[in-house]
Amino acid sequence: GAGVSQSPRYKVAKRGQDVALRCDPISGHVSLFWYQQALGQGPEFLTYFQNEAQLDKSGLPSDRFFAERPEGSVSTLKIQRTQQEDSAVYLCASSSRQGARNEQFFGPGTRLTVL
Amino acid sequence: AQTVTQSQPEMSVQEAETVTLSCTYDTSESDYYLFWYKQPPSRQMILVIRQEAYKQQNATENRFSVNFQKAAKSFSLKISDSQLGDAAMYFCAYPIQGAQKLVFGQGTRLTINP
Repeated sequence: GAGVSQSPRYKVAKRGQDVALRCDPISGHVSLFWYQQALGQGPEFLTYFQNEAQLDKSGLPSDRFFAERPEGSVSTLKIQRTQQEDSAVYLCASSSRQGARNEQFFGPGTRLTVL
Repeated sequence: AQTVTQSQPEMSVQEAETVTLSCTYDTSESDYYLFWYKQPPSRQMILVIRQEAYKQQNATENRFSVNFQKAAKSFSLKISDSQLGDAAMYFCAYPIQGAQKLVFGQGTRLTINP
């Protein structure tokens, strides 16, 4: 594809519902990152994959957050039992090389609103 | 801990004028990179410019240039000949070596006045 795509673009969930957010990185990109961006703030790191291996999940705020990339391409971020504080834009980024020193290409984000 | 600080929540500039966005960071590393990313309203974040800390020369990309002061841990972005399309949130970012993560500043909202 031409760039990183994310779906859905918008998601409204009732508190307590589970949600799944999808990221399609640029084809062939080995590195994939998830970030959480609260309104008016800079993105904050959630987790990092190198191919299918999740090498860093230190930014996941709680055990309700889970991410996977089983075949080293598409990734899913799952949030269980959503809470109002989970409301944010979730950004996915991919990079052709390992590590955060290389340019990351961002998707449009998924705006999650928890009521 | 590595931190990135942008002290200007909002900036505005007249079209065709020059504006400078400030960024300071804190790190104990000696070799690192710094980035400026642009996030237009409702559009994807894109890389504007990158600086490698071991390079003395300031990076430039067309109308965008940086003033990198390593000793002062300062990394400002200068936009020359501002255009309406430059209106966006600008984020300074620092990749933590070995930790595979970008740390972002709080952002500066840039408005271009016609």
